[in-house]
Amino acid sequence: GAGVSQSPSNKVTEKGKDVELRCDPISGHTALYWYRQSLGQGLEFLIYFQGNSAPDKSGLPSDRFSAERTGGSVSTLTIQRTQQEDSAVYLCASSYTVGEYSPLHFGNGTRLTVT
Amino acid sequence: QKEVEQNSGPLSVPEGAIASLNCTYSDRGSQSFFWYRQYSGKSPELIMSIYSNGDKEDGRFTAQLNKASQYVSLLIRDSQPSDSATYLCAVEGNTPLVFGKGTRLSVIA
Repeated sequence: GAGVSQSPSNKVTEKGKDVELRCDPISGHTALYWYRQSLGQGLEFLIYFQGNSAPDKSGLPSDRFSAERTGGSVSTLTIQRTQQEDSAVYLCASSYTVGEYSPLHFGNGTRLTVT
Repeated sequence: QKEVEQNSGPLSVPEGAIASLNCTYSDRGSQSFFWYRQYSGKSPELIMSIYSNGDKEDGRFTAQLNKASQYVSLLIRDSQPSDSATYLCAVEGNTPLVFGKGTRLSVIA
């Protein structure tokens, strides 16, 4: 079946603009995660959603970052008033459920460049 | 703070050799362990999962888990240049998965 789909694949924006990144998880997966990876760095957890539960926002770096997941499926990550340090690859992943024995499956990512 | 530690490398091995990648974790209660491979400019790809102490083999890959010592390793037999990538260890830490920073492997032809 189809994997995790992210769009756009690349986004160049000017400092101060808002951007929206989209993620469509694998069908049937109840958990959805956003990670960020800066050049040459590890994966930085941002936020995850599990079913209809309140999202775990503990990884969001500032209040300029927000995310929503509509209908338990598609998710949008919004970054307001972008800064140059926001430049990174934003990875979305989904899993069948949250917790044990449930690996994450990643999309191809959105490369964000803030000029 | 749950932590996963990996040697950043690079780990260089000749073609045909065994590559050994190691990972230690801090949360003794962790139950699920995963290895991901990430090629440069690509997203992480799941290659192995292991849940019980001991070895788990899949083709040229063997994952090893020792919960008492809190380490998990990945062996790659008959290493190929196409195995050159960064290998990420991930540990289930009461959600979300906690990732190590990865070990860069270079297989020299």
